[in-house]
Amino acid sequence: NAGVTQTPKFQVLKTGQSMTLQCAQDMNHEYMSWYRQDPGMGLRLIHYSVGAGITDQGEVPNGYNVSRSTTEDFPLRLLSAAPSQTSVYFCASSYGEGQETQYFGPGTRLLVL
Amino acid sequence: KQEVTQIPAALSVPEGENLVLNCSFTDSAIYNLQWFRQDPGKGLTSLLLIQSSQREQTSGRLNASLDKSSGRSTLYIAASQPGDSATYLCAAVDSNYQLIWGAGTKLIIKP
Repeated sequence: NAGVTQTPKFQVLKTGQSMTLQCAQDMNHEYMSWYRQDPGMGLRLIHYSVGAGITDQGEVPNGYNVSRSTTEDFPLRLLSAAPSQTSVYFCASSYGEGQETQYFGPGTRLLVL
Repeated sequence: KQEVTQIPAALSVPEGENLVLNCSFTDSAIYNLQWFRQDPGKGLTSLLLIQSSQREQTSGRLNASLDKSSGRSTLYIAASQPGDSATYLCAAVDSNYQLIWGAGTKLIIKP
């Protein structure tokens, strides 16, 4: 099993550009989530999904969109990048929601100029 | 609103020492408490998950305890090794199954 994979590993964007961060898992997990990690702060939940076709907002959803058309994939879209979105983004998956062990991808480091 | 705090932010100890990392949370109504390890430039790896009804969990040289009444969890690392150097994060899972994260403790084990 590859576990949770994320692409790209690193990306530089200019303000106003859009992009999609990819996340895939091969463990048949129903629950998937996106977090951002900023220096000195805990991870903050952006969006999550409890199954294909179902998504919901987390703590910091503004400026991001998600969709879940398959169990395996959960892409995160930045609509119009802003410097405040410079961060490291992690995708996670689990069998259930927070009550289960979470499996994380390696992260995408995003720099918005 | 649940808040999770990890103190200290960084810790450096000689190899071989036993050490304790602390995690505090403000709301005792948690579903479980999870500890993770993060290596530089890498994702997070789950270490231990303690259910709210449990007092502790053990995995090898790691032991995590949970005291909901005092809002504390500790991660005990026995006989520390340089390979234990990493950032350790805790997360309290609330009644909505959302993980609320601490900012982490960066641990350096000196050979």
